[in-house]
Amino acid sequence: EAGVTQFPSHSVIEKGQTVTLRCDPISGHDNLYWYRRVMGKEIKFLLHFVKESKQDESGMPNNRFLAERTGGTYSTLKVQPAELEDSGVYFCASSPLRRTEAFFGQGTRLTVV
Amino acid sequence: AQKVTQAQTEISVVEKEDVTLDCVYETRDTTYYLFWYKQPPSGELVFLIRRNSFDEQNEISGRYSWNFQKSTSSFNFTITASQVVDSAVYFCALSEASSNQFYFGTGTSLTVIP
Repeated sequence: EAGVTQFPSHSVIEKGQTVTLRCDPISGHDNLYWYRRVMGKEIKFLLHFVKESKQDESGMPNNRFLAERTGGTYSTLKVQPAELEDSGVYFCASSPLRRTEAFFGQGTRLTVV
Repeated sequence: AQKVTQAQTEISVVEKEDVTLDCVYETRDTTYYLFWYKQPPSGELVFLIRRNSFDEQNEISGRYSWNFQKSTSSFNFTITASQVVDSAVYFCALSEASSNQFYFGTGTSLTVIP
């Protein structure tokens, strides 16, 4: 069974540019989460989808971040325009609707220069 | 306030030594779940274990064991006879029944020296 996959694995962009991260959850998982780890700090929650609906987006840092989950399958997280402080590793996770453990992808390392 | 604290930032041990990774959590929920994840150099977070707040039984899985103590709000992880392949960053996490999100600690970087 394929795990959670994220694309790209690395991205280096200039301040002010736009970047879109993609997450493909495990097939059949209704819950999809985005998390972020800034260098040396804890992994922090960004938002949670149940199918295509945003259940909780309380962790989104500001309106430069936009997450979508088209048709309840894959999800994208767009950062526009990117700032230096957006650098970090962005993790996606998925889980079935009534399970509590989440399965994480390998992360996307974003560097804004 | 930090809900999950992993006080050990980095640990180095020599192969075959035992090592314990500490995790202290804070929550007001009576129902919650605790997790450990391993992040090897390849970057993904690998699920290791989940415990719920009503089950304080310690668990052993091969060389891994977990000690859950509600009295001290701790969920420590011990690796027995460590191996080089155990080198990774280990994250402790908390999920409260009242919320779907995970609260992670800052991680402990374990290096096992051959």
